[in-house]
Amino acid sequence: NAGVTQTPKFQVLKTGQSMTLQCAQDMNHEYMSWYRQDPGMGLRLIHYSVGAGITDQGEVPNGYNVSRSTTEDFPLRLLSAAPSQTSVYFCASSRPGQGHGELFFGEGSRLTVL
Amino acid sequence: SQQGEEDPQALSIQEGENATMNCSYKTSINNLQWYRQNSGRGLVHLILIRSNEREKHSGRLRVTLDTSKKSSSLLITASRAADTASYFCAYGVTGNQFYFGTGTSLTVIP
Repeated sequence: NAGVTQTPKFQVLKTGQSMTLQCAQDMNHEYMSWYRQDPGMGLRLIHYSVGAGITDQGEVPNGYNVSRSTTEDFPLRLLSAAPSQTSVYFCASSRPGQGHGELFFGEGSRLTVL
Repeated sequence: SQQGEEDPQALSIQEGENATMNCSYKTSINNLQWYRQNSGRGLVHLILIRSNEREKHSGRLRVTLDTSKKSSSLLITASRAADTASYFCAYGVTGNQFYFGTGTSLTVIP
């Protein structure tokens, strides 16, 4: 199994551009989430989903959109990138029916907004 | 903010010594977990302790939880150079949300 796969690993954007960070998992996990990691800030929850068709906001949702059309995929969209969105983004998933169980993480996507 | 805090922010020890890091959080939790992150990599789950547990062991790891003080500690015994990494606490709250602490950077000197 591949686990949680994130693409791209690196991306440079100009202010105002849009892009989508992809996340896919092959473990049949119902729970998926996106975090951003900034130096000295730990990980902050952006959006999460408890199943296909269900999404909700986390702690820092502004400037980001998500959708969950399938169990496997949970893309994160930046509509109009800003320098403040320069960060490392992690996607994570959790076992079915256990929203408070172990999180499985992707390897991260490093985004730079100029 | 629901984000927890960890201390120390950085810890440097000699191989064979024990490493202790602490996590404080702000709200009622369902469980508390500890994760490890090697430089430039994703996080890997280490251990989970439920809110009705006070102590848990896994190999060289010992975790304690004090819900009255909203705090947890992670002890790594007999540390190795390969333990060098950042360590994060994470806790589940209602609504299926997980929040993380700010992390402790551990350096184990051979």
